[in-house]
Amino acid sequence: KNEVEQSPQNLTAQEGEFITINCSYSVGISALHWLQQHPGGGIVSLFMLSSGKKKHGRLIATINIQEKHSSLHITASHPRDSAVYICAVRSHQFYFGTGTSLTVIP
Amino acid sequence: NAGVTQTPKFRILKIGQSMTLQCAQDMNHNYMYWYRQDPGMGLKLIYYSVGAGITDKGEVPNGYNVSRSTTEDFPLRLELAAPSQTSVYFCASSYFGQGSYEQYFGPGTRLTVT
Repeated sequence: KNEVEQSPQNLTAQEGEFITINCSYSVGISALHWLQQHPGGGIVSLFMLSSGKKKHGRLIATINIQEKHSSLHITASHPRDSAVYICAVRSHQFYFGTGTSLTVIP
Repeated sequence: NAGVTQTPKFRILKIGQSMTLQCAQDMNHNYMYWYRQDPGMGLKLIYYSVGAGITDKGEVPNGYNVSRSTTEDFPLRLELAAPSQTSVYFCASSYFGQGSYEQYFGPGTRLTVT
């Protein structure tokens, strides 16, 4: 049983499409993170959320604490957005989803 | 700032050998973490530290040891390498203050045990 579930596991989109990645979790949390892992393996933190919504450029992250659900949206997707997106939650420790592999085709 | 650095980048070990994965950060972060990432699986926490001299087990600590003698360094020790420890290892750090837990990750160490 995973404390963090992501969907979809894999996603292919045409350049310009609006993309949504979902994350559900089963534990009480103090914060939720969205991370991006590029094909080279490096991991970068995109957002940290404890409530509401955050926006950074074309990326938007939302969280609903009552429903234990978060979404990551990418507007006007671009091939350089191709990466694995990982949802992580902080409970008494960090728990990670298995990631959503996104490929954006030109 | 160099951020979080890890060495080596790659290593092949024989079963039963031991090694230390090095991790250092220059951001004066109090929290440091070691994760492993297996193919198709999420990151799993091995050990973490909330400050110099304090370490605690994560989800998958068996077969590993850590120490935190300084704020900057958090080495991970494998004593008797086993094929099940073949994985990519990530070190991370964060500053816990005012509820901020944003993590900064190192580039990873790819370890193969044969």
